[in-house]
Amino acid sequence: GQQLNQSPQSMFIQEGEDVSMNCTSSSIFNTWLWYKQDPGEGPVLLIALYKAGELTSNGRLTAQFGITRKDSFLNISASIPSDVGIYFCAGQLVGGADGLTFGKGTHLIIQP
Amino acid sequence: DSGVTQTPKHLITATGQRVTLRCSPRSGDLSVYWYQQSLDQGLQFLIQYYNGEERAKGNILERFSAQQFPDLHSELNLSSLELGDSALYFCASSDAGIMSDTQYFGPGTRLTVL
Repeated sequence: GQQLNQSPQSMFIQEGEDVSMNCTSSSIFNTWLWYKQDPGEGPVLLIALYKAGELTSNGRLTAQFGITRKDSFLNISASIPSDVGIYFCAGQLVGGADGLTFGKGTHLIIQP
Repeated sequence: DSGVTQTPKHLITATGQRVTLRCSPRSGDLSVYWYQQSLDQGLQFLIQYYNGEERAKGNILERFSAQQFPDLHSELNLSSLELGDSALYFCASSDAGIMSDTQYFGPGTRLTVL
């Protein structure tokens, strides 16, 4: 099936630092979604993007739908301890009726 | 709490066995999605049901089947289980049938096949 390349795989940062992660694909997506998953929980939707070039914020989180429709990034500003978790990008292919494709996740670890 | 419930939370069984995972969507949601999460494959979409009908199919094995009942709860049946089927199985729901709708995930069922 389709693959989303998500990077970095993990990040070790200090509290207060900004974080940036991204997803790329060789295919065109018509929707990009960013989820966060805490240990023992299901993924929680953070931001949904529906148009190329769209830039959307949710508090300290900002995500953009790449102009080529093949990539997206998520930024977290001024990280805090509760930001720890695994962040997943997900996309729906153009014309696709086969569900969301997920990246492998970025594991965010915040060092005190 | 997403409003999506899944039972059981944990399931341990042996190879060759058959299990049923259950999901109750959020009140009012018509769509149910099933996902499998494993360390090597990540999150994989399995299947979607909308108002009782199959809507989309992903990487679901032939040994697996699902259905959505008139009260909108859904069951995922896994048969002839293999060691590689050990994973977290998530159910998600949304109010309509569009894949890009906000999907609310349940807490998951952790399946261990010994």
